[in-house]
Amino acid sequence: AQRVTQPEKLLSVFKGAPVELKCNYSYSGSPELFWYVQYSRQRLQLLLRHISRESIKGFTADLNKGETSFHLKKPFAQEEDSAMYYCALSGQGNNDMRFGAGTRLTVKP
Amino acid sequence: DGGITQSPKYLFRKEGQNVTLSCEQNLNHDAMYWYRQDPGQGLRLIYYSQIVNDFQKGDIAEGYSVSREKKESFPLTVTSAQKNPTAFYLCASSIPLGEKLFFGSGTQLSVL
Repeated sequence: AQRVTQPEKLLSVFKGAPVELKCNYSYSGSPELFWYVQYSRQRLQLLLRHISRESIKGFTADLNKGETSFHLKKPFAQEEDSAMYYCALSGQGNNDMRFGAGTRLTVKP
Repeated sequence: DGGITQSPKYLFRKEGQNVTLSCEQNLNHDAMYWYRQDPGQGLRLIYYSQIVNDFQKGDIAEGYSVSREKKESFPLTVTSAQKNPTAFYLCASSIPLGEKLFFGSGTQLSVL
């Protein structure tokens, strides 16, 4: 069975500070990892996925298979980054996407 | 806007009553999903469907039922067997095989 763990429910940083949202997973096969974001009064939407190796809104995430982690990082947080962030996993070739409990990020001015 | 539409936005259930939440998409996606969102617990998978006339149980399927008679539609019925139905329900769709999900705006279900 697959499981996604986000150890921090709340995370608060000041504007301009680095931010890291932690995500650990357990899965016996080859995982597909994602980060989703939900801004206030908006729908949940994809932020980035590991196979794209992209940087979206300054965020990056590296899949570390040895540590089974997919932490989300941004070097300089902005107030508009304040949102709820969810890490998600699906098995390669499967459709059963599982989500973590989420981390609420607050960026203070 | 197009995409994925959930209705109603708010729904109230009486004791012993079954209620059905609607989810429609015009994205031509094969896969559709239902999640339950509770504070502090994130999204938990109820059911998912990869193609028409096929669906699989997720982690918390007890007390829920679904159907997938059309590609565009994936209704969720919350039955009287679900003893704690109060939650925010999210529907999503995707092209197959682990691609990104597109979410609806959700339905808040409460018990009277």
